[in-house]
Amino acid sequence: GAGVSQSPRYKVTKRGQDVALRCDPISGHVSLYWYRQALGQGPEFLTYFNYEAQQDKSGLPNDRFSAERPEGSISTLTIQRTEQRDSAMYRCASSLTGFTGELFFGEGSRLTVL
Amino acid sequence: AQSVTQLDSQVPVFEEAPVELRCNYSSSVSVYLFWYVQYPNQGLQLLLKYLSGSTLVKGINGFEAEFNKSQTSFHLRKPSVHISDTAEYFCAVCVPNTGNQFYFGTGTSLTVIP
Repeated sequence: GAGVSQSPRYKVTKRGQDVALRCDPISGHVSLYWYRQALGQGPEFLTYFNYEAQQDKSGLPNDRFSAERPEGSISTLTIQRTEQRDSAMYRCASSLTGFTGELFFGEGSRLTVL
Repeated sequence: AQSVTQLDSQVPVFEEAPVELRCNYSSSVSVYLFWYVQYPNQGLQLLLKYLSGSTLVKGINGFEAEFNKSQTSFHLRKPSVHISDTAEYFCAVCVPNTGNQFYFGTGTSLTVIP
């Protein structure tokens, strides 16, 4: 696609439910990143992939969070048993290959846990 | 570990006036430095980056930044702002060859007053 696409743009869920956030990177981009951004804060690294391999998941806050990119393109970030503290903007970014010095961000998925 | 400090959370400035958005970083190793801009309801996009070479970096929309290693700063400047520059600005650092993890500051909200 022309840009990084994320869905859903807005998600409201009840505490305890599972949610899946999807990211479709720019076609041909090797690296894909997930960030979380709380209100008034900068993006916080969660995890990233090169192709289908998860290279670094050190930013995932706990084992309720997981991510996959099974075919090296679309990625899904899953949050199990959501809690109110999970409410945030979840941003996906992709980059062409290795380190190019530029991340291309999607518009984000805003998650609200009631 | 790396960290980024943006001391000014909000900066109001009159149209056509100059502006400086401050960024300081902390790192025990050499880093790459970036400024990203986020317009309302959009994803982050790259303004400019410093990887190596000249310490004065020019970016899009007339912005520039200067890398100062001794002061560990990377302040963003524009000599004359426009209404369209109203946005959130994020400074970020990345350590080369360590997995491409970007560390973002908390952001500076620039408001241009007509």
